[in-house]
Amino acid sequence: GQNIDQPTEMTATEGAIVQINCTYQTSGFNGLFWYQQHAGEAPTFLSYNVLDGLEEKGRFSSFLSRSKGYSYLLLKELQMKDSASYLCAVPSGGYNKLIFGAGTRLAVHP
Amino acid sequence: DSGVTQTPKHLITATGQRVTLRCSPRSGDLSVYWYQQSLDQGLQFLIQYYNGEERAKGNILERFSAQQFPDLHSELNLSSLELGDSALYFCASRGQGNTEAFFGQGTRLTVV
Repeated sequence: GQNIDQPTEMTATEGAIVQINCTYQTSGFNGLFWYQQHAGEAPTFLSYNVLDGLEEKGRFSSFLSRSKGYSYLLLKELQMKDSASYLCAVPSGGYNKLIFGAGTRLAVHP
Repeated sequence: DSGVTQTPKHLITATGQRVTLRCSPRSGDLSVYWYQQSLDQGLQFLIQYYNGEERAKGNILERFSAQQFPDLHSELNLSSLELGDSALYFCASRGQGNTEAFFGQGTRLTVV
């Protein structure tokens, strides 16, 4: 089975940096995905980590530690449009079905 | 545009009725996933198909069923609908290997 934990809500100020954590337990690790979802819209892919370390992609970076079952998404230079839910997901089972955490709702305020 | 198409976008129906949601995956993607997202909740995995065959099941009710056709489009059938079935239903498709999933825009189902 698998278990994915994320904080429910976070708030941050425009222009600041925020770190959204995700811890997971899964039998057999095949990487970790981060998605962004604006309210009422489809999730969109942000990043994929399969090896330990930091992957940087513009204002967004994602970190993975496989030994700790831990990942975080780092958002820099926050903008109002970054207000959204951020979902952590891991492939699970023999056919790598994608299982999502409950998501972290981020509110960016001026 | 993710390349995944879901129809209809909105659906309003009465309790006890049956509906069919449709999904066309991205060109070339063999895997299709269905998820349910209730208001302010996370994405709940329902079922996964690969090239026409069911591969994995999540918390899918017995009143719900799905299939993937030879042209790779998929349908999710929801029957004996209850008020609690009101939710966004998303379809996603994935390519070969452990690639990211691409999501359709979802079908918002309202049961009244």
